[in-house]
Amino acid sequence: AQTVTQSQPEMSVQEAETVTLSCTYDTSESDYYLFWYKQPPSRQMILVIRQEAYKQQNATENRFSVNFQKAAKSFSLKISDSQLGDAAMYFCAYRGSSYTSGTYKYIFGTGTRLKVLA
Amino acid sequence: DAGITQSPRHKVTETGTPVTLRCHQTENHRYMYWYRQDPGHGLRLIHYSYGVKDTDKGEVSDGYSVSRSKTEDFLLTLESATSSQTSVYFCAISARDNEQFFGPGTRLTVL
Repeated sequence: AQTVTQSQPEMSVQEAETVTLSCTYDTSESDYYLFWYKQPPSRQMILVIRQEAYKQQNATENRFSVNFQKAAKSFSLKISDSQLGDAAMYFCAYRGSSYTSGTYKYIFGTGTRLKVLA
Repeated sequence: DAGITQSPRHKVTETGTPVTLRCHQTENHRYMYWYRQDPGHGLRLIHYSYGVKDTDKGEVSDGYSVSRSKTEDFLLTLESATSSQTSVYFCAISARDNEQFFGPGTRLTVL
């Protein structure tokens, strides 16, 4: 079974600085998708960035980028020029290619709470 | 915004009572999911649906049932609520580019 591990329950970063959130996963599949979601205090889940495993190039969305290491099964999120609005819980998620009962399952990590210090 | 609403948004109930949470979507997505979110556990899948009347269990399905009689509605029922089911419940749909869009969540407290 696939697993997703976020080993940092909490991280802090100074405003305007860069922070990296870690995520590792375990799978025997070769084709899959990885996601980072942000959950601010409003509780709404917001997609930050996605990565297809077959793509070598790391995904980038404005100040957010990933370091995808397929062999190491690592998928870290880098936030550059951190802003107060980045403070939130961040979840790493995995979607496999196994098609079971007509759909795909998504597996989430336990989350990392990011604090941004002014 | 994938047009996902959840009702109620908050509910307090007593142990042993039945509870039904509703997820409604407006964009005709085939796949729908119910998760619960608890501190230290992230989001855990309860049940999911891949079409009208087509549902299957997730990793924490004990004590929960679901129904989907229309594409737009996915209902989660706690037949006899217990305190361990106090949680925040999220509905989600799977859309283009394989990403999931989530509803706003329902906070359920079982006393």
